[in-house]
Amino acid sequence: GQNIDQPTEMTATEGAIVQINCTYQTSGFNGLFWYHQHAGEAPTFLSYNVLDGLEEKGRFSSFLSRSKGYSYLLLKELQMKDSASYLCAVMDSNYQLIWGAGTKLIIKP
Amino acid sequence: DGGITQSPKYLFRKEGQNVTLSCEQNLNHDAMYWYRQDPGQGLRLIYYSQIVNDFQKGDIAEGYSVSREKKESFPLTVTSAQKNPTAFYLCASSLGAYNSPLHFGNGTRLTVT
Repeated sequence: GQNIDQPTEMTATEGAIVQINCTYQTSGFNGLFWYHQHAGEAPTFLSYNVLDGLEEKGRFSSFLSRSKGYSYLLLKELQMKDSASYLCAVMDSNYQLIWGAGTKLIIKP
Repeated sequence: DGGITQSPKYLFRKEGQNVTLSCEQNLNHDAMYWYRQDPGQGLRLIYYSQIVNDFQKGDIAEGYSVSREKKESFPLTVTSAQKNPTAFYLCASSLGAYNSPLHFGNGTRLTVT
């Protein structure tokens, strides 16, 4: 079966750095997406990785290792507004998106 | 501003009634999707449409129906045949390429009692 694993919940301090991991076992691979979602609102696109390596976009960076079936989202200089759920999704060989259950990130002052 | 509008935000229905959730987009996107989000689970695809007048079943289509008569609109009907209809429903659209990010609406929370 296909599977995406993410930690259920993480806590971090305002101003700090946090890394949210995502591991996947899927039928093929055509890219990995990260979204964030505030409670009761729309998920919003953060990043897309299809090649190995690190993609940096402001305070957010996303890393991919296809050989390890592993990605992480790195958030720097955390702000209270970063409190949200972070969703990892992998596109498989049939171009279907497989979603993780999401990681709820709690930022404390 | 372009975006996706879902209405209503909250919907309450009695068991046995059909209910239709609205989704409208003005992004000129070809592809539209309906997902269901339940606590502790990843998003699950109900139906998707790549072009007007055509749509495909997703992983959990049973008990649901859709139509795509206009590019901008992709309404979802939750029928009485859906065993556990209470959930948060998200509509999304994209340009249609496999690496195109999804743009989501703010969702409709449906409660059936």
